[in-house]
Amino acid sequence: GQQVMQIPQYQHVQEGEDFTTYCNSSTTLSNIQWYKQRPGGHPVFLIQLVKSGEVKKQKRLTFQFGEAKKNSSLHITATQTTDVGTYFCAGPGYAGGTSYGKLTFGQGTILTVHP
Amino acid sequence: SQTIHQWPATLVQPVGSPLSLECTVEGTSNPNLYWYRQAAGRGLQLLFYSVGIGQISSEVPQNLSASRPQDRQFILSSKKLLLSDSGFYLCAWSISGSSYNEQFFGPGTRLTVL
Repeated sequence: GQQVMQIPQYQHVQEGEDFTTYCNSSTTLSNIQWYKQRPGGHPVFLIQLVKSGEVKKQKRLTFQFGEAKKNSSLHITATQTTDVGTYFCAGPGYAGGTSYGKLTFGQGTILTVHP
Repeated sequence: SQTIHQWPATLVQPVGSPLSLECTVEGTSNPNLYWYRQAAGRGLQLLFYSVGIGQISSEVPQNLSASRPQDRQFILSSKKLLLSDSGFYLCAWSISGSSYNEQFFGPGTRLTVL
């Protein structure tokens, strides 16, 4: 089945430093989604990328989808304490045919920000 | 607007006891529904998904079962809990018919099996 690998597993930064998490798939993805889970909370959808080479920005967050549609990254500029949490990427949860909306999640990157 | 509810929020159960977790969605019809389990500090493991009433697909063999008695109700059950069933259980929904739709998660249930 499809696998989505995410690195690093943990990232500790000082407030104001940048942060990047990377996501790699074993197969070409039709789309990739990113979610954020605050400590003690539930995952919340951030964004979806669909096009090869697509770049989207949300304030200090920049999301990229690779040209081959097998990798993606999330970059946060000048982290703040409010950025603390676990960031997950997710691709369609199937190797062929319909996915029924299923997602295969990466293991997530746990971000801690020291003030 | 759509909302998703889960209860209870926390649960402590002895080994061998039964389990029933409930999830309901409001404000949408015929959603795809999902049950995930998350171990502490780990990723999301899809347990079950459902595309309609009475239609349940299991992703991993385990001690749990799921049912969908109504369009917007999803229940996770166990007859006898194991220690390894401890974790954070999340219900989610998405719009049916496409793999391009995001999933919306409920607040989750933290289950501790002692």
